[in-house]
Amino acid sequence: NAGVTQTPKFQVLKTGQSMTLQCAQDMNHNSMYWYRQDPGMGLRLIYYSASEGTTDKGEVPNGYNVSRLNKREFSLRLESAAPSQTSVYFCASLKTGWVGETQYFGPGTRLLVL
Amino acid sequence: AQTVTQSQPEMSVQEAETVTLSCTYDTSESDYYLFWYKQPPSRQMILVIRQEAYKQQNATENRFSVNFQKAAKSFSLKISDSQLGDAAMYFCAYRSDAQKLVFGQGTRLTINP
Repeated sequence: NAGVTQTPKFQVLKTGQSMTLQCAQDMNHNSMYWYRQDPGMGLRLIYYSASEGTTDKGEVPNGYNVSRLNKREFSLRLESAAPSQTSVYFCASLKTGWVGETQYFGPGTRLLVL
Repeated sequence: AQTVTQSQPEMSVQEAETVTLSCTYDTSESDYYLFWYKQPPSRQMILVIRQEAYKQQNATENRFSVNFQKAAKSFSLKISDSQLGDAAMYFCAYRSDAQKLVFGQGTRLTINP
């Protein structure tokens, strides 16, 4: 049981390049999330997926697209990277049940856009 | 929109002492969850403790406990017998609609040996 995994761990892009951040979870959770964390700040929601086949915008969706490929995988795509997208990106999935709900986070992807 | 405020950018405590981190939030909802997450230098987000708003009893997890004041919209974290491994950024978070989390700005906790 690996939990939430993210690839890559670190990436450097030039302005205008595109890339996809991958996220997978093996806990059979329905909901998945993408957050970004800028220096000295808490996490802000980019996009989320409440279930397979659905996606919705969060607080800061501009410049990003997402795909919920299946129940396990939720990818984040930057079509044309900008320096303002330099950040640490976290994927999370949501465990729900009678004991309550908890989001479990991946290890993060550090992205530097030059 | 819900907001979460952590008014202490940095805190420090002597090893083995007790420290309290503050958090306030703003919401019109009556049913929600509140969380404290720990982020060590590895950047991993680790759940410390969770509180359901409908529960009057404050949550406790070993050395970590909360003081949940629903009317005051306050949710502080108390760490007892502080250990060097507790040094990290601590984030308070509120569970918004669709289970989205709204985070505070964080408090950097330093443990002095």
